[in-house]
Amino acid sequence: SQTIHQWPATLVQPVGSPLSLECTVEGTSNPNLYWYRQAAGRGLQLLFYSVGIGQISSEVPQNLSASRPQDRQFILSSKKLLLSDSGFYLCAWSLFRTDVYGYTFGSGTRLTVV
Amino acid sequence: DQQVKQNSPSLSVQEGRISILNCDYTNSMFDYFLWYKKYPAEGPTFLISISSIKDKNEDGRFTVFLNKSAKHLSLHIVPSQPGDSAVYFCAASSYYSGGSNYKLTFGKGTLLTVNP
Repeated sequence: SQTIHQWPATLVQPVGSPLSLECTVEGTSNPNLYWYRQAAGRGLQLLFYSVGIGQISSEVPQNLSASRPQDRQFILSSKKLLLSDSGFYLCAWSLFRTDVYGYTFGSGTRLTVV
Repeated sequence: DQQVKQNSPSLSVQEGRISILNCDYTNSMFDYFLWYKKYPAEGPTFLISISSIKDKNEDGRFTVFLNKSAKHLSLHIVPSQPGDSAVYFCAASSYYSGGSNYKLTFGKGTLLTVNP
């Protein structure tokens, strides 16, 4: 069966520090991968998605970047965190086939920038 | 531009009664709709979906209704249980029409509280 791992679960970082969040998927090949953020009082905002190794699409211009060095690995990074980067970050995967349509989300990372 | 709107940030119902969560969309290209349930500090989990060729889909206590002309869908939970208390997200995609087929667009969510 397919599983998705996301870590760490919580993170407190000072303003200006770097960030690296990692997400890995098991049990499937060539998934579409996504990074979402849920900021306080807001919905789920798509940050990045990837349909293959090295292929990254950015949805919102911001202080963050994403990379996909391997088929089932998706990394969210920042060189210098801002206070506004605080939020709940979610990784998700999908195959976008009609029989397995929809996303499967990871358990999320609560990031607090102080 | 909010293409998927959940205008009620919260809803409170009594255990055993019906919960109705609403969602409106503006993009006429959307043809596949999903509901996700999210507990605090966890990732959302898939609940139920409906394609635009249907107007109703049912799965146990959960039923989703789609009104394409009004660009409106709703999730009915009956009977409601305290364990249903969570944030519910509506999501949409233009999967079948071939537009933005890699992405789901989410609403802001509705916090459902089911009181014992």
